[in-house]
Amino acid sequence: GAVVSQHPSRVICKSGTSVKIECRSLDFQATTMFWYRQFPKQSLMLMATSNEGSKATYEQGVEKDKFLINHASLTLSTLTVTSAHPEDSSFYICSATGGAGLTEAFFGQGTRLTVV
Amino acid sequence: AQKVTQAQTEISVVEKEDVTLDCVYETRDTTYYLFWYKQPPSGELVFLIRRNSFDEQNEISGRYSWNFQKSTSSFNFTITASQVVDSAVYFCALKGLTGGGNKLTFGTGTQLKVEL
Repeated sequence: GAVVSQHPSRVICKSGTSVKIECRSLDFQATTMFWYRQFPKQSLMLMATSNEGSKATYEQGVEKDKFLINHASLTLSTLTVTSAHPEDSSFYICSATGGAGLTEAFFGQGTRLTVV
Repeated sequence: AQKVTQAQTEISVVEKEDVTLDCVYETRDTTYYLFWYKQPPSGELVFLIRRNSFDEQNEISGRYSWNFQKSTSSFNFTITASQVVDSAVYFCALKGLTGGGNKLTFGTGTQLKVEL
């Protein structure tokens, strides 16, 4: 199946700093990428949808100035958590879809962010 | 609006038992896809199956089988002769292609524990 690579898998940062998470589609062109957040023992909550070359569409309640999404190419989307605080600590996971016949979304390995 | 309900929060079975994970969905779309994903403790989401709304044929893949019943809006997942390695959280998801905005909506997940 298609491969989506997410990096880093774990990051610890100090409160007030910014963290960038990368999501790459390795063997297909991802016209659409999705970013999710997952709290412990909970489901995945969609944060935003990004289409290559256009601004991301954020779900209700997600601060777009805090969670900056860039989808500059068909193989790369980035999520930057700006001025991170402890409450931003969570598991962030991306998925990508696109390409001929790709109706399922393939997921990256996830990034566990801890803000101290 | 789309909704996926996984009423079973946690299931514990003994190895070699069969187990069925329930999934009930709601959508106004006539064309949609249903998915099952496995999330082991490491966190990544592993794609298991995709089923489109026009294909009610049940599917079997090794020890896994899926029962899609459009009349009851259910897409249940059965693991036969469960193994310890099946222990994970399993998510059912729905993607509606029109009103759903091509977004994946996840259920709350079922934690499956398979013990020796």
